[in-house]
Amino acid sequence: GAGVSQSPSNKVTEKGKDVELRCDPISGHTALYWYRQRLGQGLEFLIYFQGNSAPDKSGLPSDRFSAERTGESVSTLTIQRTQQEDSAVYLCASSYRDSYTDTQYFGPGTRLTVL
Amino acid sequence: RKEVEQDPGPFNVPEGATVAFNCTYSNSASQSFFWYRQDCRKEPKLLMSVYSSGNEDGRFTAQLNRASQYISLLIRDSKLSDSATYLCVRAAAGNKLTFGGGTRVLVKP
Repeated sequence: GAGVSQSPSNKVTEKGKDVELRCDPISGHTALYWYRQRLGQGLEFLIYFQGNSAPDKSGLPSDRFSAERTGESVSTLTIQRTQQEDSAVYLCASSYRDSYTDTQYFGPGTRLTVL
Repeated sequence: RKEVEQDPGPFNVPEGATVAFNCTYSNSASQSFFWYRQDCRKEPKLLMSVYSSGNEDGRFTAQLNRASQYISLLIRDSKLSDSATYLCVRAAAGNKLTFGGGTRVLVKP
């Protein structure tokens, strides 16, 4: 079946502009995660959604970052007033539930470049 | 100290040889660990889960040593297609994943 999809695949923006990144999880997956991977570094957890529970925002680096999820489907990550240090690949993952026994499947990511 | 630390490598491995590398973690309460594989400019993909008793999947063997707080991955009979970055991953509550920086493996003919 279809995997996790993300759009756009690449985004170039100017410093100070807002950007919106989209993630379509695997159908039926209740848990959805956002991660960031800066060049040459490991992935950093940003935020996760589980069903209708309040999202865990503990990884968001600043209040310029926010995310929403509609039910158990699409999620959008919004970065306001982008800065150059926001340049990274933003990866979305989904899993059946938020248990460690459930594999997270990653999307191909959105490569964000802030000029 | 980072929660999950790895030797970045690269480990240059002759085709057919065995390579092993470790990852250390700092949170003694950690419950679950995984090895993910990431190819250049691609998303990470689960390679295997890591169990205390050690587990094997074909040419890959993973081991967890809770006393010394490290996880190991061993690759036998290396193939050219094994060239990738191997990510050591810890799962926290809610299955939030903490990634190490990755160990790069280059298998050469």
